[in-house]
Amino acid sequence: AQTVTQSQPEMSVQEAETVTLSCTYDTSENNYYLFWYKQPPSRQMILVIRQEAYKQQNATENRFSVNFQKAAKSFSLKISDSQLGDTAMYFCASTYQGGSEKLVFGKGTKLTVNP
Amino acid sequence: DSGVTQTPKHLITATGQRVTLRCSPRSGDLSVYWYQQSLDQGLQFLIQYYNGEERAKGNILERFSAQQFPDLHSELNLSSLELGDSALYFCASSVYDGLAYGYTFGSGTRLTVV
Repeated sequence: AQTVTQSQPEMSVQEAETVTLSCTYDTSENNYYLFWYKQPPSRQMILVIRQEAYKQQNATENRFSVNFQKAAKSFSLKISDSQLGDTAMYFCASTYQGGSEKLVFGKGTKLTVNP
Repeated sequence: DSGVTQTPKHLITATGQRVTLRCSPRSGDLSVYWYQQSLDQGLQFLIQYYNGEERAKGNILERFSAQQFPDLHSELNLSSLELGDSALYFCASSVYDGLAYGYTFGSGTRLTVV
């Protein structure tokens, strides 16, 4: 069974600074995928970044990047130059190929960006 | 617009009642997933349908049921509602492009049971 753990219920950062959100996961599968989703106050689920486990290179999307440590089963999200609009809940999620492909989510980290 | 349509957006109903939530997946996506998000909680997987067939079940109560129709839209039926069923219910659809999975979420249905 897949499990995803986010150990930081809440975090805060000053505008323009960098923050890292932690995520660890457990899976016995080889072909798996990891995601970070953002949920702003509107409650819409927005994909931030995706990482395929077979790729060694860490994924990057503009100010968002991940540190994927496969052996440690760690998948942290780094947000650079934080902006007020980054204030949201952030969920780490995983899925794997060959099963139902459902996403399994962590409990989330509430990030507040302060002016 | 994400391409996944959920209706209604808001629903207020009394305990003991039955409601139906509707989801239309993104065009071409065969899989539909239902998730429940209670206050300040993560997303709990309820059930998945793939091309009309049930594919996976999560922590879905016996009072809840779902189905996917030939046109691929899906409905989640919640009956004998309790106060604790108040939550945001998300539908998502997915596609595999040969390299990775892409999931698209609807905007959710906020259910309030009073």
